[in-house]
Amino acid sequence: AQSVTQLDSQVPVFEEAPVELRCNYSSSVSVYLFWYVQYPNQGLQLLLKYLSGSTLVKGINGFEAEFNKSQTSFHLRKPSVHISDTAEYFCAVSERKRNAGNNRKLIWGLGTSLAVNP
Amino acid sequence: NAGVTQTPKFRILKIGQSMTLQCTQDMNHNYMYWYRQDPGMGLKLIYYSVGAGITDKGEVPNGYNVSRSTTEDFPLRLELAAPSQTSVYFCASSPLNTEAFFGQGTRLTVV
Repeated sequence: AQSVTQLDSQVPVFEEAPVELRCNYSSSVSVYLFWYVQYPNQGLQLLLKYLSGSTLVKGINGFEAEFNKSQTSFHLRKPSVHISDTAEYFCAVSERKRNAGNNRKLIWGLGTSLAVNP
Repeated sequence: NAGVTQTPKFRILKIGQSMTLQCTQDMNHNYMYWYRQDPGMGLKLIYYSVGAGITDKGEVPNGYNVSRSTTEDFPLRLELAAPSQTSVYFCASSPLNTEAFFGQGTRLTVV
């Protein structure tokens, strides 16, 4: 069965410092991978996604993530964070099956709370 | 485009009351989902639908019901509200098994 593990529940960091939010997954088949961001009192919005092709994926707001198939990881990085990046970040995976039928569901990690301090 | 619209944004229910959380999307997506989000627990899938007339249970369906009579609408029904259903509820839609688009959420308190 699929699962997603976000290794850090909270990440405090100072403004302009680099940050990495870690995500590992388990699956017996190929997957699609996603990072979402949730700002306080809002819904989730897509930061970036890996569907195929280059393993380095760039998203909005200067974030990027690298798909590592051998380590089953999809870590999110930003070289210099801003106060406005303070939010909850969720990693998600869905199976890459041609005939998934009713099994087209996203599996979610528990989230990582990023707190950017001045 | 409005995207995914949820109503109401906030609601307080008494134990035993019923209510329907509305969700509509204007992107012609086949897939729609209802999640609940509790602090530190991530997103839990309640119900989902792969198209009009087709619904299926997620991880935590007890105490909820859904219907999908049209592609656009996917209401979530709570029949007998319980304190354990106090949560933030999110509706989402997706075209295939790629990214989901979320509504702004409904914050429900059962007292």
